Amino acid sequence: KAGVTQTPRYLIKTRGQQVTLSCSPISGHRSVSWYQQTPGQGLQFLFEYFSETQRNKGNFPGRFSGRQFSNSRSEMNVSTLELGDSALYLCASSLPGSYEQYFGPGTRLTVT
Amino acid sequence: GIQVEQSPPDLILQEGANSTLRCNFSDSVNNLQWFHQNPWGQLINLFYIPSGTKQNGRLSATTVATERYSLLYISSSQTTDSGVYFCAAAQGAGNMLTFGGGTRLMVKP
Repeated sequence: KAGVTQTPRYLIKTRGQQVTLSCSPISGHRSVSWYQQTPGQGLQFLFEYFSETQRNKGNFPGRFSGRQFSNSRSEMNVSTLELGDSALYLCASSLPGSYEQYFGPGTRLTVT
Repeated sequence: GIQVEQSPPDLILQEGANSTLRCNFSDSVNNLQWFHQNPWGQLINLFYIPSGTKQNGRLSATTVATERYSLLYISSSQTTDSGVYFCAAAQGAGNMLTFGGGTRLMVKP
């Protein structure tokens, strides 16, 4: 069974631009969560989607948003990029009724 | 929300040595996972262990939920065990993991 996939793997954007990252969960998984990893703040939860609905949200500004499609694929969008948004963005998925999460390889975003 | 703390922050071992990594959490949890982050950034699942003991080869883990801690044991360490080990926990509905700060392990040949 294929693992969680994320695209693109690497991205360079300029301050003020917006970016969209994509995550495809493991087949059969319906919950998708997003995390941001930075050297200063570590790994932090962004949001979780289940059956196309946001189920949990972390403490991030409204510039960070996400959505989930009917096939469980998820996208996250960051508008008006700031230098501090440079990070590794990780996506995880889990089966319905399970708490165990499986992570994708991540998207490394650099904002210049 | 819950707090998750890991110790030690850094660990250097000779190949073949054993080690114990600790994870303390501040409240009851329904999810406790250990991960190894590879050099490219991917989090590799090691254990899903909200309570009890599990073993997988040279690695084992124990979570004592009533005392709010979990331990990851690495026996006969190899250079390929190097990297950062994360503990993460969640409580309540949904999958909102709170991560510890990690333990950076270096195994020397």
